Parts: sequence; structure tokens; C-alpha cells
Amino acid sequence: KAGVTQTPRYLIKTRGQQVTLSCSPISGHRSVSWYQQTPGQGLQFLFEYFSETQRNKGNFPGRFSGRQFSNSRSEMNVSTLELGDSALYLCASSGLANTDTQYFGPGTRLTVL
Amino acid sequence: EDQVTQSPEALRLQEGESSSLNCSYTVSGLRGLFWYRQDPGKGPEFLFTLYSAGEEKEKERLKATLTKKESFLHITAPKPEDSATYLCAVQASETSGSRLTFGEGTQLTVNP
Repeated sequence: KAGVTQTPRYLIKTRGQQVTLSCSPISGHRSVSWYQQTPGQGLQFLFEYFSETQRNKGNFPGRFSGRQFSNSRSEMNVSTLELGDSALYLCASSGLANTDTQYFGPGTRLTVL
Repeated sequence: EDQVTQSPEALRLQEGESSSLNCSYTVSGLRGLFWYRQDPGKGPEFLFTLYSAGEEKEKERLKATLTKKESFLHITAPKPEDSATYLCAVQASETSGSRLTFGEGTQLTVNP
């Protein structure tokens, strides 16, 4: 069974630009969560989508948004990039139940110059 | 607010030298406690899920235990390939969905 895939793996952007990251979950998984990982803050929850609906949201500004498609694939968008948005963005998928294990993808490394 | 604290921040062991990593948590009703391993530049790799105090799970040289306030990851006779950052995360019963709250991690180095 293929794991969680994320594209692109690396991105370099400049301040003020916007970026879209993509995540394909494990086949059959309907929940997709996004996390931001930085050396100073660790892993922080951004949001979760389940059956195309946002089920939960972390404490991030409105510049961070996401969506989920009918095939469970998900995208997250960051508008008006800031230097502090440089991070590893991780996507995780899980099954139907809230207690199902989340399996992580390899991440997208975003660098904002 | 859910909180997870891991200690030590970094641990250096000799091959074969057993030790334990600690994860202390404060959560409004625990639904699950998760252990992950993360190698540099990669996403976290799932190790264990623990659901109730007294529960234990083992996998090769790793054993995870859970009490009402903390979890331990015991590493028996570690090998250099066990070097990684070990992350602990909790899922709260009051939280909708699958949201995980992570600790900062313990960076483990095993020297040959």
C-alpha cells in the first residue's frame, strides 16, 4: 500500500508570494491533517479535513487555508508569504475513526527569502 | 490547553546502553498517546499508540508504557540505527477530529 505523498518536496519563494502544497493520502483514508514543523516551535497543527469539510483548525492566521477534494486529496495554500513561514509542512492521513493512527508524508520544505 | 513535555531534549548513548525517554502530558481527557520516530529531513514514522494507563506495547528494542500523567519509551540495547528524534503526541477527548499535540522531541544519538 502506497504511503502519503506530498508535492513538491522543496520550494523556494519570496516574501509576498503565495504557495500551494499538495497531499495525497493513503488509499482509503478520508482524513487529512496538516502540520507545520519549525526548529523553534516544533510540530504545530494547522487544520484537518474529513470528507471535504474542515473538521478542526489550529491557531494560525487566515493566510493559511486548505481544502480537500472528493478523492480525499488535499491542498494547503499560504498567501502573502512571510519569512517566518519557512518550515517543513507535513501532511498526515488517517482512517474513519478519530482514534485512527495518523501516518505522515515526507513533507514539503518551504523556504521564504 | 493540552501540553506535552519531553525529556531529555537530547540523549547520547553507547551501543548496547539501555535508557528511557520521558513524555509528560496535561490533557483534558486522553483519547490516545502516540510515539513517532523522525529521521532528519523525513516525516514522522509511527511507532506506538497507547490508550489507557497501564498499557504497554513493544516493537523490537522499543517498549512504550503509559501512566495517567506520563509515558516512557524504553530502549533496550540500542544500535546506531536507532539514532533519530523521538516524538510524543497526545489526542484529547475534548478535541474533535484527529488533532495531535506534539512535544518538542528527544534527539537520540547511539554511538557504535
